Amino acid sequence: NAGVTQTPKFQVLKTGQSMTLQCAQDMNHNSMYWYRQDPGMGLRLIYYSASEGTTDKGEVPNGYNVSRLNKREFSLRLESAAPSQTSVYFCASGTTDTQYFGPGTRLTVL
Amino acid sequence: GQQVMQIPQYQHVQEGEDFTTYCNSSTTLSNIQWYKQRPGGHPVFLIQLVKSGEVKKQKRLTFQFGEAKKNSSLHITATQTTDVGTYFCAARVNAGNMLTFGGGTRLMVKP
Repeated sequence: NAGVTQTPKFQVLKTGQSMTLQCAQDMNHNSMYWYRQDPGMGLRLIYYSASEGTTDKGEVPNGYNVSRLNKREFSLRLESAAPSQTSVYFCASGTTDTQYFGPGTRLTVL
Repeated sequence: GQQVMQIPQYQHVQEGEDFTTYCNSSTTLSNIQWYKQRPGGHPVFLIQLVKSGEVKKQKRLTFQFGEAKKNSSLHITATQTTDVGTYFCAARVNAGNMLTFGGGTRLMVKP
């Protein structure tokens, strides 16, 4: 039972490059979330998916797209990376009562 | 703007001293949760409070939910170096399926 897994753990991109962050959960949760955490700051919600086939914008969705591939997987895509997107990205699954976080992806955009 | 405010941002304590972090909202909350994030790690769920005036304890940690359900606190008695990390509160501020996190309180413990 791995919980929430994320790949990759680290990534360095150049401005304008694209990439997809992968997230999977094995806890049979309906809801999944993508957050970003900037140094010394709290967590800000980018997008979430309340159930398979649905996605909704969070607090900071600009520059990102998401796909809920199936109940287990929720991916986050940066189409044209910018230095302002340098951050740690956390995927989570669960509910508004309890959320379980993955280990994070540390992304640097040069 | 930020709807869940957390203070202080940072706290240095000597090992053995107590520590408290506070979470405040201008709106009534349906529940509040607390998470701990170790340096370099990911947030880990600690507890959820639901009822007005609720108090819950986990060993040296005491969690309180205000009577008006607009504020909460986490108190650690006799801190240890293992308590180092950032403590976040989180709440569902508006109807929907989103949590809003406070900015966190970073606890540093001097041995």
